[in-house]
Amino acid sequence: EVQLVESGGGLVQPGGSLRLSCAASGFTFSSYNMNWVRQAPGKGLEWVSYISTTSSIIYYADSVKGRFTISRDNAKNSLYLQMNSLRDEDTAVYYCARRGLDVYYFDSWGQGTQVTVSS
Amino acid sequence: EIVLTQSPATLSLSPGERATLSCRASQSVHTYLAWYQQKPGQAPRLLIYDASNRATGIPARFSGSGSGTDFTLTISSLEPEDFAVYSCQQRSIGFTFGPGTKVDIK
Repeated sequence: EVQLVESGGGLVQPGGSLRLSCAASGFTFSSYNMNWVRQAPGKGLEWVSYISTTSSIIYYADSVKGRFTISRDNAKNSLYLQMNSLRDEDTAVYYCARRGLDVYYFDSWGQGTQVTVSS
Repeated sequence: EIVLTQSPATLSLSPGERATLSCRASQSVHTYLAWYQQKPGQAPRLLIYDASNRATGIPARFSGSGSGTDFTLTISSLEPEDFAVYSCQQRSIGFTFGPGTKVDIK
């Protein structure tokens, strides 16, 4: 069974940092491109960042470019999101999401981790 | 950035009724569009990809259609477990999601 389990969320002050992790199991992690997607309270989903299988291709949403860094460790079956210079508007549930191999959409999602930026 | 708009914002229906949800793109996304279902406190689930293909394990009562800028998700006969929020997502240029349509019980 495919499992994605996020961790690392919490309450942080504006300007602070957090590092999110996503532990993958039940599939060959190194074969899949991965993403972070977030959802602010009462809002729609917002794609945040993408990383290819070998980390050679990385994309960010404009809203987080220069502040967030995505990375992965295929030996540990793990995906990460380093978030710096956090703002109030970064408050959201953060999901890691797998992009399918034949279906180029987000075919598996974790349950999410809450990030709250507030003073 | 390609903007997706969804209508209606809320659809109030009874079990057994047909649901028709719309997603419109600010420019053509060809058929690079997906639909997701999300229930409160849960992660989204992929229903339809490339506008009209059902994802693995998705019941046949869910169908998608459209191309270019106008897309439709149809649920032929609502089951109790179908009351949820439905979001569309494009992958033609980057990745963007629509704001969602909530299907609730009338």
